[in-house]
Amino acid sequence: DAGITQSPRHKVTETGTPVTLRCHQTENHRYMYWYRQDPGHGLRLIHYSYGVKDTDKGEVSDGYSVSRSKTEDFLLTLESATSSQTSVYFCAISSPQLTYGYTFGSGTRLTVV
Amino acid sequence: GEDVEQSLFLSVREGDSSVINCTYTDSSSTYLYWYKQEPGAGLQLLTYIFSNMDMKQDQRLTVLLNKKDKHLSLRIADTQTGDSAIYFCAEKEDYKLSFGAGTTVTVRA
Repeated sequence: DAGITQSPRHKVTETGTPVTLRCHQTENHRYMYWYRQDPGHGLRLIHYSYGVKDTDKGEVSDGYSVSRSKTEDFLLTLESATSSQTSVYFCAISSPQLTYGYTFGSGTRLTVV
Repeated sequence: GEDVEQSLFLSVREGDSSVINCTYTDSSSTYLYWYKQEPGAGLQLLTYIFSNMDMKQDQRLTVLLNKKDKHLSLRIADTQTGDSAIYFCAEKEDYKLSFGAGTTVTVRA
């Protein structure tokens, strides 16, 4: 999607290793989000950020941490990957009013073996 | 999002209308959204409706909002094969969106 990119697009990692996913935006939006998508669960919020160094937990934050040192970058870290964290991860951005909802990245497919 | 519920599957014949239903829980939601996800892709905003509206029409898409019952629906007229996708309903809660589990729409010839 224009203005928001995620990297990597695909990753396979071993159980117990740390993994960092990156979300980069060029829209200068204040709000950034990390969701995971799993069959039957839709999208569940992991963490979100409302500004540089300002972050908060979502509904499924255990085992994940985030950092936002610049407006344009929001990093998601799996501190010690587990098989239950195999999922598709989406980053999203929005303006505070959310009038037009979110703009989503293309997703990162993470497999933990 | 456990607070937003949708049926999981819908099969429709090409050329017919599709109706996807959603119920939400937060009566203070100011905006409600429909997103479309094609295979291997991210979610794209299809349409949204402001809570003071009952209906919104955008080409083949019609959104109906029943605030009393907290029910939202998306009607796709003249459904085409390109409409096969997962459709997500979402409600705005503070600065976040809460999503339903998604309805997989399959269009058959």
